[in-house]
Amino acid sequence: NAGVMQNPRHLVRRRGQEARLRCSPMKGHSHVYWYRQLPEEGLKFMVYLQKENIIDESGMPKERFSAEFPKEGPSILRIQQVVRGDSAAYFCASSPWSGPEEQFFGPGTRLTVL
Amino acid sequence: KNEVEQSPQNLTAQEGEFITINCSYSVGISALHWLQQHPGGGIVSLFMLSSGKKKHGRLIATINIQEKHSSLHITASHPRDSAVYICAVRSYNTDKLIFGTGTRLQVFP
Repeated sequence: NAGVMQNPRHLVRRRGQEARLRCSPMKGHSHVYWYRQLPEEGLKFMVYLQKENIIDESGMPKERFSAEFPKEGPSILRIQQVVRGDSAAYFCASSPWSGPEEQFFGPGTRLTVL
Repeated sequence: KNEVEQSPQNLTAQEGEFITINCSYSVGISALHWLQQHPGGGIVSLFMLSSGKKKHGRLIATINIQEKHSSLHITASHPRDSAVYICAVRSYNTDKLIFGTGTRLQVFP
């Protein structure tokens, strides 16, 4: 049973470009969470999704950021017109259902904006 | 003041020492997680607990709900235990994970 997969592991973008980060949850998991870890800072919640639904996006910046988890395929975190401040590690985690369940983390995508 | 505070921020130890990392929180929670982040950056879930105590190998996690405090203990520490240990609580109200800033542990041979 493969763990949570994220790709790419490293992504370099120039200012103004778009970044697309992908997360495939563990088999059987229908809940996905995205977290951001800025350099030298702790992890911060961004968004919580179930298949085809955004449950809680209260941690997402209001502009340029969006997330989806379609019926088929991975969850996508999309950052439009990236800026240097978007440089961070982005982690996704999955769980089989909601509530206080263990979350399994992916290896993260390290985004560098030049 | 952060809703989740960890201490110490940095910790060095000699191989074999007993390690304790503390976590205090100020919100109502439904669960508390201990996570390990290795130098390569990957995050591993060590424990999820809502009461009492859990043990896995050389790791022990305890939680005191009344005092809003949890501890992670490592017995017979080893250099491979060197990592950042992160406490995260699941807020009872918002159902979101709130993370501490982590404790950086280095164990020397």
